[in-house]
Amino acid sequence: DTEVTQTPKHLVMGMTNKKSLKCEQHMGHRAMYWYKQKAKKPPELMFVYSYEKLSINESVPSRFSPECPNSSLLNLHLHALQPEDSALYLCASSQGGMRAFFGQGTRLTVV
Amino acid sequence: GIQVEQSPPDLILQEGANSTLRCNFSDSVNNLQWFHQNPWGQLINLFYIPSGTKQNGRLSATTVATERYSLLYISSSQTTDSGVYFCAVEQGNYGGSQGNLIFGKGTKLSVKP
Repeated sequence: DTEVTQTPKHLVMGMTNKKSLKCEQHMGHRAMYWYKQKAKKPPELMFVYSYEKLSINESVPSRFSPECPNSSLLNLHLHALQPEDSALYLCASSQGGMRAFFGQGTRLTVV
Repeated sequence: GIQVEQSPPDLILQEGANSTLRCNFSDSVNNLQWFHQNPWGQLINLFYIPSGTKQNGRLSATTVATERYSLLYISSSQTTDSGVYFCAVEQGNYGGSQGNLIFGKGTKLSVKP
């Protein structure tokens, strides 16, 4: 099973809301990632978790808060977002930095 | 940081034609992958190919790490091949690969029936 599942697929939230994006994989991968993709741009790395520990934070604003409850799950908690944070948020996993598998993404709109 | 350049930025093909997409990178890499993003946003991993040549059906890829480029070949293109093709790399380091990929800007492919 080479699948990464993300929920929800679409999310509309106000600037004062708190919401969470969820990602799950059952491939036994020990590295999980969050990427952000704006329209007509390539994905940009936000966070890397390795063995459930945050190993890379690409200077992401604190209104984005990642969490890795266990080796299969990755969350991204959102609070006080801005309209410019509207984007496609992609989760990925890999084994030892090798072939990466991406979820279908969450299309986030901040109003 | 490492720079990743893809060419061409846009490509329009007639169904059945062949094409070659190129990815140049500015420094040594320990991880290079090709992805296809469909119109719905799904990123599909086509190849993990830090060096050498691989084939998967109508697609093949070659990476010449010493010359810092990779090529993706699409033969007998189909309309379902349309989308954006990304090359992504991780800069080589002695600590090993963590998989933090840097993406090129992509090649947008349109295959016409």
